Amino acid sequence: EAQVTQNPRYLITVTGKKLTVTCSQNMNHEYMSWYRQDPGLGLRQIYYSMNVEVTDKGDVPEGYKVSRKEKRNFPLILESPSPNQTSLYFCASSLSGQGWNGYTFGSGTRLTVV
Amino acid sequence: KQEVTQIPAALSVPEGENLVLNCSFTDSAIYNLQWFRQDPGKGLTSLLLIQSSQREQTSGRLNASLDKSSGRSTLYIAASQPGDSATYLCAVTLYNQGGKLIFGQGTELSVKP
Repeated sequence: EAQVTQNPRYLITVTGKKLTVTCSQNMNHEYMSWYRQDPGLGLRQIYYSMNVEVTDKGDVPEGYKVSRKEKRNFPLILESPSPNQTSLYFCASSLSGQGWNGYTFGSGTRLTVV
Repeated sequence: KQEVTQIPAALSVPEGENLVLNCSFTDSAIYNLQWFRQDPGKGLTSLLLIQSSQREQTSGRLNASLDKSSGRSTLYIAASQPGDSATYLCAVTLYNQGGKLIFGQGTELSVKP
């Protein structure tokens, strides 16, 4: 089944403890991206990657890092999480950077930072 | 700056009704528009994708239209069912914006049996 897989689905952590949220797609998509969803603010892009080894900032990149060493994986790294990063996170992928065939989203990761 | 607005924010209808959800965007220079469904605490499921050159797309009981010049899209749901209850999001992609999706705030739909 064609899908975007995120792990973990739920995570509670403490301030300052580094964590990684994994994202993997099995559709051979070039483009991958991370979003966060917050009440009243909607979905906002954190980082995106047009292809392997090419990443760039979205609208809210502060406090996050990403890497794209291979096409299928695009992990989101929080080096020193803070409570304002408590959110619902989504990974998305598309065949190309313009999304001409649309975007496929993962099931989400609900992160709580205490 | 592109802004996407969805009206209404919430909608409650009895089962069997036909309904229309609205999406408007401020900049008509979009690459495409996509409608998604989100169930509570879950991911986004793609419903329909309309390219900027298209006027509408249909899938089962769903029909989405696009009027780029007026900056509007509608999602028509025929013969609504309780299983259609969810939040519906529209999102546009712009040219040369790194493939970013710009989302509306969504319409929360409740279909009562």
